[in-house]
Amino acid sequence: EAGVVQSPRYKIIEKKQPVVFWCNPISGHNTLYWYLQNLGQGPELLIRYENEEAVDDSQLPKDRFSAERLKGVDSTLKIQPAELGDSAVYLCASSWGGGGTDTQYFGPGTRLTVL
Amino acid sequence: AQRVTQPEKLLSVFKGAPVELKCNYSYSGSPELFWYVQYSRQRLQLLLRHISRESIKGFTADLNKGETSFHLKKPFAQEEDSAMYYCALKGSGNTPLVFGKGTRLSVIA
Repeated sequence: EAGVVQSPRYKIIEKKQPVVFWCNPISGHNTLYWYLQNLGQGPELLIRYENEEAVDDSQLPKDRFSAERLKGVDSTLKIQPAELGDSAVYLCASSWGGGGTDTQYFGPGTRLTVL
Repeated sequence: AQRVTQPEKLLSVFKGAPVELKCNYSYSGSPELFWYVQYSRQRLQLLLRHISRESIKGFTADLNKGETSFHLKKPFAQEEDSAMYYCALKGSGNTPLVFGKGTRLSVIA
């Protein structure tokens, strides 16, 4: 079992450019999460999906961030345009059930640097 | 609002010494509390959750509702315990898992 897979692992872009992150959750996990982790901070939830439905996107900055989970499996998170303050680690996690109480399994993260 | 406070950014202890990583929370209802750990070059993973009341890798944590704390303890630290530890809280209903800022534990040989 490969666990949660994320790509790319590292990304360096210039400000105002777009960037897309990809996540493949553990097979059979219905719930998928995207977290933002700034340096020296804990992860903060951006969006949670249960199957294809985004059930909590209240913390997602919708002016520049968007996410998709087509077919209820893989997911993408897009930033357009990126700003300097978006430099952070973007984590994807999945769990069997929803509600946040089931054990969440995290991916290795994508470290984004915006120049 | 839910809030998790880990007052120590860094905790250094000698091998064999007791360890206590502090976690305090703010939540008006009945929370679920978790400890997550991230070892060097590894991904974030669940260490333990209070409802399980189990000991993992010698670590235990007791939920103290009176003091709103969920401190992580181990009687004898080992070098392999060196890692980043995050306390997390889940409130009732459709609320997200909220993490503290983390404490880096360094066990010195």
